[in-house]
Amino acid sequence: EVQLVESGGGLVQPGGSLRLSCAASGFTFSSYAMNWVRQAPGKGLEWVSAISGDGDSTHYADSVKGRFTISRDNPKNTLYLQMNSLRAEDTAVYYCAKSGSYYGLWDYWGQGTLVTVSS
Amino acid sequence: EIVLTQSPGTLSLSPGERATLSCRASQSVSSSYLAWYQQKPGQAPRLLFFGASSRATGIPDRFSGRGSGTDFTLTISRLEPEDFAVYYCQQYDSSPYTFGQGTKLEIK
Repeated sequence: EVQLVESGGGLVQPGGSLRLSCAASGFTFSSYAMNWVRQAPGKGLEWVSAISGDGDSTHYADSVKGRFTISRDNPKNTLYLQMNSLRAEDTAVYYCAKSGSYYGLWDYWGQGTLVTVSS
Repeated sequence: EIVLTQSPGTLSLSPGERATLSCRASQSVSSSYLAWYQQKPGQAPRLLFFGASSRATGIPDRFSGRGSGTDFTLTISRLEPEDFAVYYCQQYDSSPYTFGQGTKLEIK
């Protein structure tokens, strides 16, 4: 059974940093691209970032480019999102999502971790 | 960036009725790289359809998807109580991968 478990969310001040983790199990982690997708409170879904299975290729939404860094540790089956220079508008539930047969098609999602940026 | 517009914003129906949800793209979505997700309160999204009309694993056949180019539709033939949720369309044709704003399907 595929499982994705996010952690690392919390309250952070504007301009601060946070690192999210996503522990994966139930599939060959290194064979699949992985993503972060976020959802602001009461709002819709927004794709944030993607990383290839081998970690060599990364992609970002314009809203986070230059501030967020996606990475993965394949031996540890873990996905990361380093978030720097956080803004109030980054407040959201952050979901880890596994790519399926296409990069931007997500067949399994974690339950999410809440990031709140506030002073 | 491909912009997806869903309609209606809210759909109020009763169990047993038929629901039709629409998703329109600002430009053609190649090879129907269009997905639908269902999200219930406090839960992660769940993949329903990919390739516009291919059901994901475990999705009941009362759900159907169709469309191509810029116009796509999700239909639920006979609503069950567990179908009331928010539905999002999403394109995976090109980055940035974008979602529609969602259609909330509520019990009338």
